[in-house]
Amino acid sequence: KNEVEQSPQNLTAQEGEFITINCSYSVGISALHWLQQHPGGGIVSLFMLSSGKKKHGRLIATINIQEKHSSLHITASHPRDSAVYICAVSPPNFGNEKLTFGTGTRLTIIP
Amino acid sequence: DTAVSQTPKYLVTQMGNDKSIKCEQNLGHDTMYWYKQDSKKFLKIMFSYNNKELIINETVPNRFSPKSPDKAHLNLHINSLELGDSAVYFCASSQDPSGGNDDTQYFGPGTRLTVL
Repeated sequence: KNEVEQSPQNLTAQEGEFITINCSYSVGISALHWLQQHPGGGIVSLFMLSSGKKKHGRLIATINIQEKHSSLHITASHPRDSAVYICAVSPPNFGNEKLTFGTGTRLTIIP
Repeated sequence: DTAVSQTPKYLVTQMGNDKSIKCEQNLGHDTMYWYKQDSKKFLKIMFSYNNKELIINETVPNRFSPKSPDKAHLNLHINSLELGDSAVYFCASSQDPSGGNDDTQYFGPGTRLTVL
């Protein structure tokens, strides 16, 4: 069993739909990251959070430390949001040097 | 200007060869990383350097040797390439992780290595 699990593995939705991607982890962490990997392969960091909620444009990330769970939400989804979304966690004994990654969620938004 | 750059973008080579991938960041970050993304798209850390010193060395064959000539560069040299080394290799950088609360990692565009 992976230390970081994401669900769903694949998600297809219509443009405009509200999207939720979930991440659960089984270890203690100092922070959780959400990354976006574009179809061309490039990786972009979206959020790093250790508590509460962060918002950037149409993207919202939340984390519940007690439940060891985080969600990434996309409002008013658009085809350009199509990408693989990856959750990663930093263990408590390190800073961000050592990330453990989930297997990713492939999101496809249909026009 | 590109924040984290890698060269080459694509690398195709024969088994047994020695090759290097270069990474440079112009963000003034103290820490740099190498990740390997396998065919199933799973990312795994290989190495991490902070101010030119190795701080993480995961279970990676010793054919892989990172070299950091200065804190803006972290190159990856691979000896005696094997078929299983085929993957996409990503470089990343961040501020000193112990220094703050928002040390986001910035990734390079990746280098797709194909070993024939």
